[in-house]
Amino acid sequence: SYVLTQPPSVSVAPGKTARITCGGDNIEAISVHWYQQKPGQAPFLVVYDDSDRPSGIPERFSGSNSGNTATLTISRVEVGDEADYYCQVWDRDTDHYVFGTGTKVTVL
Amino acid sequence: EVQLLESGGGLVQPGGSLRVSCAASGFTFSAYRMAWVRQSPGKGPEWVAHIEKDGREKYYVDSVKGRFTISRDNAENSLYLQMNSLRVHDTAVYYCARNRHIGARRWLDYWGQGTLVTVSS
Repeated sequence: SYVLTQPPSVSVAPGKTARITCGGDNIEAISVHWYQQKPGQAPFLVVYDDSDRPSGIPERFSGSNSGNTATLTISRVEVGDEADYYCQVWDRDTDHYVFGTGTKVTVL
Repeated sequence: EVQLLESGGGLVQPGGSLRVSCAASGFTFSAYRMAWVRQSPGKGPEWVAHIEKDGREKYYVDSVKGRFTISRDNAENSLYLQMNSLRVHDTAVYYCARNRHIGARRWLDYWGQGTLVTVSS
């Protein structure tokens, strides 16, 4: 099955930029989606279809996808962005949803 | 406003059974594929199963095939997951989630708050 690899943790100072990567074989050929999860809460969609934002998500959250790596970028990081972030793709061969290993973003 | 409200979680012994439910509101339930996703303590989300809009097609992760059954009642706007032969590693928060898609691109745009299933003796 398809495997998505994320760095376990990313640390960033307030006001700076955080970049969270999601690695997969030729991932640029498929659509990547990103979820934010704060402690005790359900995952929450922040980017879908590589780079689109659901209504209400700040422009500070952006996504890109190229080669073997998709990236979620959080600009002007705020303390409230501290959370776990997961990438997700849909494996059309098996009709399965695949989640990444997750990245904990810490705002210093 | 889209709302998904899970219920039915609890403590069950290994080998036992449990059915969790998800009550949907705020959207046309019968127009969407729906999914169950679980998350074990300290782990990331794991897709468990999903069901097509009319309930005819169902897909499962290999680890639950033959033990779990996903179903839906479009008249009641409800999604279900019947879990049999439960194992300790099935312990997790179980979320229901709504599927969205554009062509072959699929994601989960709304999630419930989850219901905790604990399998322990």
